[in-house]
Amino acid sequence: GDSVTQMEGPVTLSEEAFLTINCTYTATGYPSLFWYVQYPGEGLQLLLKATKADDKGSNKGFEATYRKETTSFHLEKGSVQVSDSAVYFCALSPYNQGGKLIFGQGTELSVKP
Amino acid sequence: KAGVTQTPRYLIKTRGQQVTLSCSPISGHRSVSWYQQTPGQGLQFLFEYFSETQRNKGNFPGRFSGRQFSNSRSEMNVSTLELGDSALYLCASSRRGGAEETQYFGPGTRLLVL
Repeated sequence: GDSVTQMEGPVTLSEEAFLTINCTYTATGYPSLFWYVQYPGEGLQLLLKATKADDKGSNKGFEATYRKETTSFHLEKGSVQVSDSAVYFCALSPYNQGGKLIFGQGTELSVKP
Repeated sequence: KAGVTQTPRYLIKTRGQQVTLSCSPISGHRSVSWYQQTPGQGLQFLFEYFSETQRNKGNFPGRFSGRQFSNSRSEMNVSTLELGDSALYLCASSRRGGAEETQYFGPGTRLLVL
């Protein structure tokens, strides 16, 4: 079945460091890919998405590119801030099962000043 | 525009009881999905409703059920509660439930089974 694998955390970085959180997926067909973020004490919210191969999603300085050849959707940010501390979830929505999200395990990011 | 609301926010039940959770989607959204979040299993899809019909279902036992009303509000029911059902239950809504659509999540209902 479809699945998402993302790097385990926690990840601890200093402010202004470069961030990469790896995400790979297994899916039939052409899923849509998402990154959701859960800030402490808050609900899940969309960070960015890409709906077809080679699309790049971006938001708040974060970027991820839908790579079909490597089945990956790695999250990157050039310079993290303390306010980016949160749990990040990679997810896919199967192309023929709209309304269903399959999530990775989540990666906790802690950014120190 | 109001977000997704869930009630109650916290719930304590004992084994063997049943529980009903409620979710009100964003106005105009007809698709509602439910997820269970636990430290061990992460976020797992329970089911999705669209126009009062269950359209997708995850791998959960039949004790977990749901329904959707004509105003798109949805309820989730868990019967014969087990300790392992303790979790944060999240609902999410989108306009049509299309694979490319953003799902908007509610704050969740935290269920503790004693």
